[in-house]
Amino acid sequence: QSALTQEASVSGTVGQKVTLSCTGNSNNIGSYAVGWYQQISHGVPKTVMFGNSPPSGIPDRFSGSKSGTTASLTISGLQPEDEADYYCSTWDNSLSAVVFGGGTKLTVL
Amino acid sequence: VQLVESGGGVVQPGGSLRLSCAASGFSFTTSGMHWVRQAPGKGLEWVTFIRYDGTKKYYPDSVKGRFTISRDTSKNTLYLQMNSLRAEDTAVYYCAKDHPSGDRDGFDIWGQGTMVTVSS
Repeated sequence: QSALTQEASVSGTVGQKVTLSCTGNSNNIGSYAVGWYQQISHGVPKTVMFGNSPPSGIPDRFSGSKSGTTASLTISGLQPEDEADYYCSTWDNSLSAVVFGGGTKLTVL
Repeated sequence: VQLVESGGGVVQPGGSLRLSCAASGFSFTTSGMHWVRQAPGKGLEWVTFIRYDGTKKYYPDSVKGRFTISRDTSKNTLYLQMNSLRAEDTAVYYCAKDHPSGDRDGFDIWGQGTMVTVSS
């Protein structure tokens, strides 16, 4: 069982806005920035968001936010190339460890 | 900016293996570093973190006492010494640079990964 909870699967059509969520507690998401990682076809993970700042080169349709102990990754204007597994993670100060969510499989219909 | 892992392979249960991660294109001496793994068909699992100066190291219970992270700043290289390997350690192992805006809580750059298979 993962320390962070993500939807197992989310789907959307091209051009749609979708939001992936990541729920934790006060020891992790409530206290630290959350990272989001895209993995296409079990390839190398790619950082698409840290906190609310995307790395350079990430399309501006990706945005991140956090409210209390839940973080969200929103993709506005879904594209076929966004189909991937998405993982969230952050530090947990009660475990003294980085914790991951179980991952969300995003399908573009 | 690049991270290149090496050292993966097939090892018997109870055996040892040392992974390396060669860093280039960024200031390795001022960057914390992680190892993250992914078992076949499973999600990402954090393995360990080392502070930029090597003074702090963290491990989850699943590898504590068996795995050791280290770094050689003269070679810009990160290492993962894995002892007492088990079948459940079979995974692709990625090294990753700690996010510059955080402190142990995120990843920035990822290596391409190296496969470790523990099997008799």
